[in-house]
Amino acid sequence: DIQMTQSPSSLSASVGDRISITCRASQGIRNDLAWFHQKPGEAPKRLIYGASTLESGVPSRFSGSGSGTDFTLTISSLQPEDSGIYYCLQRYTYPYTFGQGTNVEFK
Amino acid sequence: QVQLVQSGAEVKKPGASVKVSCKASGYRFITYYMYWWRQAPGQGLEWMGVINPSGGSTTYAQKWKGRVTMTRDTSTSTVYMELSSLTSEDTAVYYCARGSDQDVWGQGTTVTVSS
Repeated sequence: DIQMTQSPSSLSASVGDRISITCRASQGIRNDLAWFHQKPGEAPKRLIYGASTLESGVPSRFSGSGSGTDFTLTISSLQPEDSGIYYCLQRYTYPYTFGQGTNVEFK
Repeated sequence: QVQLVQSGAEVKKPGASVKVSCKASGYRFITYYMYWWRQAPGQGLEWMGVINPSGGSTTYAQKWKGRVTMTRDTSTSTVYMELSSLTSEDTAVYYCARGSDQDVWGQGTTVTVSS
């Protein structure tokens, strides 16, 4: 199985901060990576697919980059509604696997 | 709009089985595979398997083989996930998600296993 390792596991930031979350795959996955945001009690919501394509309706402050094994999600100006857990997902091969998640909180 | 609506919460006793449904609407049902995920309390997301609604073929994660069965009913655009021999460790929220892109998710179904 492909292991997806996210870092950091948690971060604390202020409104307006620029933050980045990284995801490393245990083997190359081309650009078959998506980023999701999950709030408590809700289903995950897809933000980015194909490593860098923004989901329709997702604010432009979100961006994704990377290919192969190393990927990054960046939020250019953190907003209060951005709190929650962020996950990366590889859909390169079965079994699909998520990273362990990054918990974003506000200072 | 595209929507996946899952069945309601379930409470089961150890050793029982549970069957969760996921009804699709707003798109042609047979054109997208349907995936199932599990999220234990406070944990991440774990892939359970996938069903092709067109022919009914399935692929299950190794962990679940022998305990999970995924089926579909094309007349109602519904897929089902049945998990047997439940233990307390199966207490979790179960999600369905559309297509290899996982672009649309059901709202989740909470399954509680308790004696």
